[in-house]
Amino acid sequence: GAVVSQHPSWVICKSGTSVKIECRSLDFQATTMFWYRQFPKQSLMLMATSNEGSKATYEQGVEKDKFLINHASLTLSTLTVTSAHPEDSSFYICSASRGTSHEQYFGPGTRLTVT
Amino acid sequence: QKEVEQDPGPLSVPEGAIVSLNCTYSNSAFQYFMWYRQYSRKGPELLMYTYSSGNKEDGRFTAQVDKSSKYISLFIRDSQPSDSATYLCAMNERAAGNKLTFGGGTRVLVKP
Repeated sequence: GAVVSQHPSWVICKSGTSVKIECRSLDFQATTMFWYRQFPKQSLMLMATSNEGSKATYEQGVEKDKFLINHASLTLSTLTVTSAHPEDSSFYICSASRGTSHEQYFGPGTRLTVT
Repeated sequence: QKEVEQDPGPLSVPEGAIVSLNCTYSNSAFQYFMWYRQYSRKGPELLMYTYSSGNKEDGRFTAQVDKSSKYISLFIRDSQPSDSATYLCAMNERAAGNKLTFGGGTRVLVKP
């Protein structure tokens, strides 16, 4: 149990376009989902926390108008990178937790390349 | 100073050896401790989850928590080349909800 999927696994887009990444909890209801960004050989950087039906809480320095997060249901959260630029190229990973549990289960990640 | 310190490695060991990993932390409010394994270009996989001080064993993995020293460890017995990955410690305090604070990760290489 506790499987999280992400789609797409990789995406290449042109500068100025928007890209949507989906995160799904496949076998449990995720009360909270998290979005991280990871640069090569670095640890995970939390971007935002989202609870189903609520607005996401963004970490300091993360532009909420650029990284739009929607948590429409207990099994789906989406991250939309708007007006993407090459510096947005990174590995984006989501995670999900259930109930009051502190364990987070991670998706496989999405590699975004902006040309 | 980072809240969670972890030696980046790389840590290279021969197959069959014990891998010893550790993290130190400064926030005494951390109560929940996790170890994740991350293969290159993949999402982290939860290996161990502990709440209190002491030891927890699961197969070849043993997690230790020493809250008085603010020190946690992960031991991997009978290491295999497939254990080659980056290992991340993560911690949580109740006041932060479900947010985790990660160490920087230790890269482990098990040589056949």
